[in-house]
Formats: sequence, C-alpha cells, structure tokens
Amino acid sequence: AQSVTQLDSQVPVFEEAPVELRCNYSSSVSVYLFWYVQYPNQGLQLLLKYLSGSTLVKGINGFEAEFNKSQTSFHLRKPSVHISDTAEYFCAVRRSGGYNKLIFGAGTRLAVHP
Amino acid sequence: DGGITQSPKYLFRKEGQNVTLSCEQNLNHDAMYWYRQDPGQGLRLIYYSQIVNDFQKGDIAEGYSVSREKKESFPLTVTSAQKNPTAFYLCASSIEGAPRNTEAFFGQGTRLTVV
Repeated sequence: AQSVTQLDSQVPVFEEAPVELRCNYSSSVSVYLFWYVQYPNQGLQLLLKYLSGSTLVKGINGFEAEFNKSQTSFHLRKPSVHISDTAEYFCAVRRSGGYNKLIFGAGTRLAVHP
Repeated sequence: DGGITQSPKYLFRKEGQNVTLSCEQNLNHDAMYWYRQDPGQGLRLIYYSQIVNDFQKGDIAEGYSVSREKKESFPLTVTSAQKNPTAFYLCASSIEGAPRNTEAFFGQGTRLTVV
C-alpha cells in the first residue's frame, strides 16, 4: 500500500521569499506523484505531476518539484511567492500501471504575508 | 468546455434525512471518485467506479451509497446512517488504463451541513 506524509501542516512566508513544501511517500512499487492546489471552498487543481523521466518537474504558476527516489520525496518549491499563492497544497501518489486510486497527504496550508 | 460539475455548491439538511449530491462529467472519463474532505485530514476516498454499473468501496464507505448508471454521472447519497456527515465533498474523474492513467480532475465541491 502507498502512503503520503506532508511534513508541515502550515507554512508562513513573506511575499517574494522562496518556499518549499515537503512531501514524503511510501510505496513498494513504482508510483506517479502529484501536487494539487486548493483555494478556499473550491476543488483541487493540478499543479504538476511526475510520471517518469526527468526528476525535476515544472508546473503552473512558477512551481516546480523534484522527485528523489532514494529519499522517497517529492518536495514542491517556488523561488518567489505571491500573495495569490496563499492556498492549501496537497501531495498525492498513485501506483503506476492499471487501475489505482489517489492517496493524498493531509495538506499544507501556505500563508503568504505582505 | 469539458469538466466536472458538482451541484449544489452548498447544501443544508436536517439530521436523519438522506441527501444526494450530484456529479456530472463531460470528459468521457471511465473512472469517477468521491472524496470527503475534513480540516487537517486531507482527502479520504468514499467510493470509486471504474466503469458503468460497477463501483467499489473506498476507505470510508459506511453511511454512503452510490450508483453509476451512466458514464457521465456518479451521484453520492449521504444516508442517515452516516454519523458525522457535515463535510466538503469532492467528485473527481480520470482516464483509466495504462499507460493513459494519470491524474484525476476535480469538481468544485459540495459543502454539506447537517443541522
């Protein structure tokens, strides 16, 4: 079975500062990894995904993530955040190949302050 | 535009009443899912369906029921047996079958409040 741990429940940061949201996963088989963003009272929007190939994945809104197989991590980064990045961020994993379900972490609330 | 439509956005019900949440998609996706979201707990899978007329229980199916009579529709009924139904409910869909199975697409959610 797969599991996801988001290491920080809340991350406060000042505008224009860099940010890293941490995600570790556990799986005995190969997986796909995802980061989703959720604004208040809305659904989830895909930021980026890792399926295979290059371990550095670029997504929307200037976010990127790096897949590290040896450390079983998939941390999300942005070099300079904006107030509009304030939202909840979810890391998710699913087994590659065949049918499988998404397993989500508990979420990290990013609060960007002026 | 293709997407997933959940209705209504806000729903209030009295305790003991069954309530049905609607989810419709026009993405021609095979699989559909229902998740429940509570603060600090992430998303937990209630039910999922890979194909019409077939569905499976997720991690927290007790007190919920679903049907999948059409590919584009996957309604969720919250029954009176669900002990704590107040939550934010999210419907999602995805293409199934390797190598195409990748991410899920989400609706805008329904916030259910039981009083």
